[in-house]
Amino acid sequence: DAMVIQNPRYQVTQFGKPVTLSCSQTLNHNVMYWYQQKSSQAPKLLFHYYDKDFNNEADTPDNFQSRRPNTSFCFLDIRSPGLGDTAMYLCATSREGRTEAFFGQGTRLTVV
Amino acid sequence: AQSVTQPDIHITVSEGASLELRCNYSYGATPYLFWYVQSPGQGLQLLLKYFSGDTLVQGIKGFEAEFKRSQSSFNLRKPSVHWSDAAEYFCAVGAVGGATNKLIFGTGTLLAVQP
Repeated sequence: DAMVIQNPRYQVTQFGKPVTLSCSQTLNHNVMYWYQQKSSQAPKLLFHYYDKDFNNEADTPDNFQSRRPNTSFCFLDIRSPGLGDTAMYLCATSREGRTEAFFGQGTRLTVV
Repeated sequence: AQSVTQPDIHITVSEGASLELRCNYSYGATPYLFWYVQSPGQGLQLLLKYFSGDTLVQGIKGFEAEFKRSQSSFNLRKPSVHWSDAAEYFCAVGAVGGATNKLIFGTGTLLAVQP
């Protein structure tokens, strides 16, 4: 089945140690998104790619970066994670235009 | 600015009872609206969407939602709840601008189902 796959499902990292989360898709969608969802809160968009064009949300911390080497893959890099970055990170994809987004299962990141 | 309000943080219903989850949105034009469901530790699954046309939309798992422009609402309903429906439900609106589909989510409603 076509889908959005996130790896790993669970990640524990130390305070200040860089970490990378991975997202792949078989839907061939040209838009990919990263959302952060803290405990008991709504998902919040960090940034998205429209093809190779990167679009950062205004309030996304500089600590968060992203790479999209090809259509299928997108990575979220956290350069120096803080305790406040503990959250579920959700990757989503969509076609352009008015259509729905498809989400992966998420990566639960814990910073210790 | 666009926003979504889900007034009910937590709802408990008995299995077999009917369900209505409320959602109100703020949007300057014709919105496109979504309901997603999230089981514990999982990603978001799309239940249904509204883009235009018929204001009553049918979704998966027996859910439906009605778009009411006059009330700026998009409430989710199910006639008979099953224990497996216990989860968190998010209403979302597609943000204005560009060709992408950035979503603005409400804070969610956590549904508990009593036997």
